[in-house]
Parts: sequence; C-alpha cells; structure tokens
Amino acid sequence: SQQGEEDPQALSIQEGENATMNCSYKTSINNLQWYRQNSGRGLVHLILIRSNEREKHSGRLRVTLDTSKKSSSLLITASRAADTASYFCATTGGSNYKLTFGKGTLLTVNP
Amino acid sequence: GAGVSQSPSNKVTEKGKDVELRCDPISGHTALYWYRQSLGQGLEFLIYFQGNSAPDKSGLPSDRFSAERTGGSVSTLTIQRTQQEDSAVYLCASSLGSYSNEQYFGPGTRLTVT
Repeated sequence: SQQGEEDPQALSIQEGENATMNCSYKTSINNLQWYRQNSGRGLVHLILIRSNEREKHSGRLRVTLDTSKKSSSLLITASRAADTASYFCATTGGSNYKLTFGKGTLLTVNP
Repeated sequence: GAGVSQSPSNKVTEKGKDVELRCDPISGHTALYWYRQSLGQGLEFLIYFQGNSAPDKSGLPSDRFSAERTGGSVSTLTIQRTQQEDSAVYLCASSLGSYSNEQYFGPGTRLTVT
C-alpha cells in the first residue's frame, strides 16, 4: 500500500524556473528520501532527510521535512530540461529498510 | 564502478508460463531488495534479503512468487504460472547494509504477460 502522496501529480515549467513538489505521509518515519526516475525505469537516489532534521540541501535541491504535518517538499532551483523525470518520495519506518513510495510527480521542464 | 544490473531488460511471456528475473547487486552490498512498479499499484516492496536469508517476504503478492539469493550476491525472482496482472516493471536495489538507507536501484525488468 502507498504511504505517501505527492502533489502535484504533474508539473510543467520553463527552463530556469523553480519546481516545488510536495509529499505527505501517514505514519511515523525514520527518514524520508526523494528519488528520480527517468522513462519509467531505474530510480536514482537524490537526497535523504532524517526525522530529526528540518531542512537539507544538495546542489540545486532543497528538501524540507515537517514531521508535525507529516509532509515534505522538494525544491529544484534553476531547472533544466534534463530534470524532466518522475520524482518520488519514499519513507522508512519501523523496519528501517523497507521503502514505502508515494505515487510520484511527473515534472516536465520545457526548454 | 558497476551499479546494480538486472536481466533481462524486457521479458514477454505467455500466461501460465514461469519466468525468472535476475539481479546482480553492487559488490559488497549485503542487503538486496525487490520492488514492483505497475500502473495501478505504483511502487511496491516485495522482498528483502540480508545476506542469503530473507527476513521479510511480506510484499510477495502470492505463493506463485519466490526469490532466492546465493553467495550473498546474485538474486533470482521467480514467478510461476504467470498471470496478466503480473505485468509490471520489477526493480532490484541493493544497499551496504539494512540500516544503510540509501538504496541503489537497477534499471528494472519490464515483464509483459500476454
């Protein structure tokens, strides 16, 4: 069963703009991760934020986590056409290894 | 270095046939995971291996699904008597240990049951 819900389901922006995707989840977590998937195949790990962290940066990526609202956001700044992909949030809870994925946001960056 | 590899990349099979999907994890990764991605269900956990043992098989959808791992390395996911609802992309991932949360995914095997 799905743990998280991303919104929007689809997002279309122009190159250079910022893209923000949100993720909500239902149960307590150990950490939350964001993955990117191109063309429906392999997933690429982007960033991990632990439950005791509130914000994390990696290059053009900024992730926030609000455990009181059970939500996270992924911001991609200065987007590029190559950022076009599906983005998924995934959580680990008590098991600490099993990833439970949201349904994903399809991001299209137009050149 | 080499990432996670999976074979075949695509498999088309007739309903009722058995299929085997293979995963080669990153060398030295003790934890291995199988997930399934389908249009209706999204990304779902199937099974987790630590070494050669599978402490969590809770995601396997039916007893037609089984998996094994040998030598702490290669894993095979077997689906017996395939059904059309088994059509999906099967993704394998590995990590350094079960508490190393960053999982590295392979390119997946797209299974189509006709």
